[in-house]
Amino acid sequence: AQSVTQPDIHITVSEGASLELRCNYSYGATPYLFWYVQSPGQGLQLLLKYFSGDTLVQGIKGFEAEFKRSQSSFNLRKPSVHWSDAAEYFCAVGARSGGYNKLIFGAGTRLAVHP
Amino acid sequence: DVKVTQSSRYLVKRTGEKVFLECVQDMDHENMFWYRQDPGLGLRLIYFSYDVKMKEKGDIPEGYSVSREKKERFSLILESASTNQTSMYLCASSWGPGGIGSPLHFGNGTRLTVT
Repeated sequence: AQSVTQPDIHITVSEGASLELRCNYSYGATPYLFWYVQSPGQGLQLLLKYFSGDTLVQGIKGFEAEFKRSQSSFNLRKPSVHWSDAAEYFCAVGARSGGYNKLIFGAGTRLAVHP
Repeated sequence: DVKVTQSSRYLVKRTGEKVFLECVQDMDHENMFWYRQDPGLGLRLIYFSYDVKMKEKGDIPEGYSVSREKKERFSLILESASTNQTSMYLCASSWGPGGIGSPLHFGNGTRLTVT
């Protein structure tokens, strides 16, 4: 069955430090992959997506992610974290399941940023 | 910018009540979705709709129903609210047939408490 795993529930980094959030997926075909961010009290906002082509994709707010088929991973990175990046981050895979198309979300990683 | 509006930010209801959660989108999107979000579980799909008067069950439809009489509006109905339906409910919409290729646009969520 299709699934998305985000191994880290909570991550704390210092402002200005680099960040990598991990995401592993299980899906037989070529996946559509997404990263969303949820700020406190808000809905989810799309950071970036991968459908095909260049495996390094750029998103909003200085984020990027790299698709590695051999590792079934789609890790999110940012070279220098800002305090406003504190939020919850969700990885998702677009998949066909149960006869229909849907997004399958990971459990999320909550990011805290120390000043 | 796409706007997805959920009618209530917070709701408190009693066990056994019939509850309506309303969602309206202003971008003429074909697809609309209802998710519930619980800590450690990420987002789980309750129901979705790819067209007016069309609805499909997601992964956790039990205890819920939906209505889509107009393209812009998608309502989630809790037929008889129970305490295990206390959760954050997120509505989303997207463009295009089929659903998995286009990003979801989310509302800010309705936090429902059933007492």
